[in-house]
Amino acid sequence: AQTVTQSQPEMSVQEAETVTLSCTYDTSESNYYLFWYKQPPSRQMILVIRQEAYKQQNATENRFSVNFQKAAKSFSLKISDSQLGDTAMYFCAFMKQNTGANSKLTFGKGITLSVRP
Amino acid sequence: DTEVTQTPKHLVMGMTNKKSLKCEQHMGHRAMYWYKQKAKKPPELMFVYSYEKLSINESVPSRFSPECPNSSLLNLHLHALQPEDSALYLCASRGQGRDEQFFGPGTRLTVL
Repeated sequence: AQTVTQSQPEMSVQEAETVTLSCTYDTSESNYYLFWYKQPPSRQMILVIRQEAYKQQNATENRFSVNFQKAAKSFSLKISDSQLGDTAMYFCAFMKQNTGANSKLTFGKGITLSVRP
Repeated sequence: DTEVTQTPKHLVMGMTNKKSLKCEQHMGHRAMYWYKQKAKKPPELMFVYSYEKLSINESVPSRFSPECPNSSLLNLHLHALQPEDSALYLCASRGQGRDEQFFGPGTRLTVL
């Protein structure tokens, strides 16, 4: 079974600054995906960024980037130039690759990020 | 259309009521999911449908009954719920050969 650990329940950052959210996971699988999902107070869960485990290059999406350390089983999210709209709960998630109809996301407990004006 | 829609947005029901939640997507996705989410917690998977067939039931009580009438629509029928079933119910879909799930905005359910 897979586990995803987000050990920080809450973080706060000043607008325009950079913040890093940590995530570790445990799995015996070789092929998998990792995700960061964002859920603002309005509650719609949206995908922020994804990483395929076989890719060594860290994924980036505009102000969002990850530091993927496969050997250490670490997958942190860096948010640059934080904006007020980044205030949300962030979930780290894992999914095995090639499981077809039985694909399931394993979520971490989440972290509440507050961006201060 | 890159949306998953859910109705109603809010639902209040008594323990003896029967109600249904509806989820719709028109992205051609063939996998659809129901999740239950309590405040400040991650979503908990309830059911997975693949090609309109139930493929995963995470030991959900029978008072929750899923239905997938067609490839675009997913229902969750509710009957004899308990107050502890009050939560946000999220629907998600995933395209074939894709890994990411697209989530709907959820239905906020309150059981009195």
